[in-house]
Amino acid sequence: EPEVTQTPSHQVTQMGQEVILRCVPISNHLYFYWYRQILGQKVEFLVSFYNNEISEKSEIFDDQFSVERPDGSNFTLKIRSTKLEDSAMYFCASSEARFGGEKLFFGSGTQLSVL
Amino acid sequence: ELKVEQNPLFLSMQEGKNYTIYCNYSTTSDRLYWYRQDPGKSLESLFVLLSNGAVKQEGRLMASLDTKARLSTLHITAAVHDLSATYFCAVDMGGSQGNLIFGKGTKLSVKP
Repeated sequence: EPEVTQTPSHQVTQMGQEVILRCVPISNHLYFYWYRQILGQKVEFLVSFYNNEISEKSEIFDDQFSVERPDGSNFTLKIRSTKLEDSAMYFCASSEARFGGEKLFFGSGTQLSVL
Repeated sequence: ELKVEQNPLFLSMQEGKNYTIYCNYSTTSDRLYWYRQDPGKSLESLFVLLSNGAVKQEGRLMASLDTKARLSTLHITAAVHDLSATYFCAVDMGGSQGNLIFGKGTKLSVKP
């Protein structure tokens, strides 16, 4: 069964460093998303992306965050200058159709630890 | 601001028993989602409920949506150990592009 793939599974970085989290969505999916989950807390929406543009972003997704689809398969989340509070599990998701009752397929996540 | 509340947050059940998880939300929405998360794993989509009165069933799980009461339920029938996981409900504002508001999750533990 097709799945969303995320790398790395764990990332440790120093505060202030840049990190790039990578995702390979399901191949025929056109809509992409990032969510995060701080340990023991609820899942939070960060951003959605379609046709090389951000469709929607949350208040969390400030100027330190950016997303990119650098080629036909990868979808990346960049955090320019990481903060301690960025430590979380980051999930990439994709969907075949435009969001609106569509099932999202989530990757297994990247655990980001900022020291 | 849309708020989503689940209860209970922790649920310990005996195998074979029935129970219901409740998901209340604060503003009008007719799109509600249920996800399952195993420890250290990703989110698995269980149900997408798109209209008032929607009911969906998969195995021992049944989800329903009452948009007038702003309430969804996830009913577990004759629980088995394999159902042990955290269950999240999520609601999106109409017209959003992925901006799901999640509940805090219900950690279900099914004991033999």
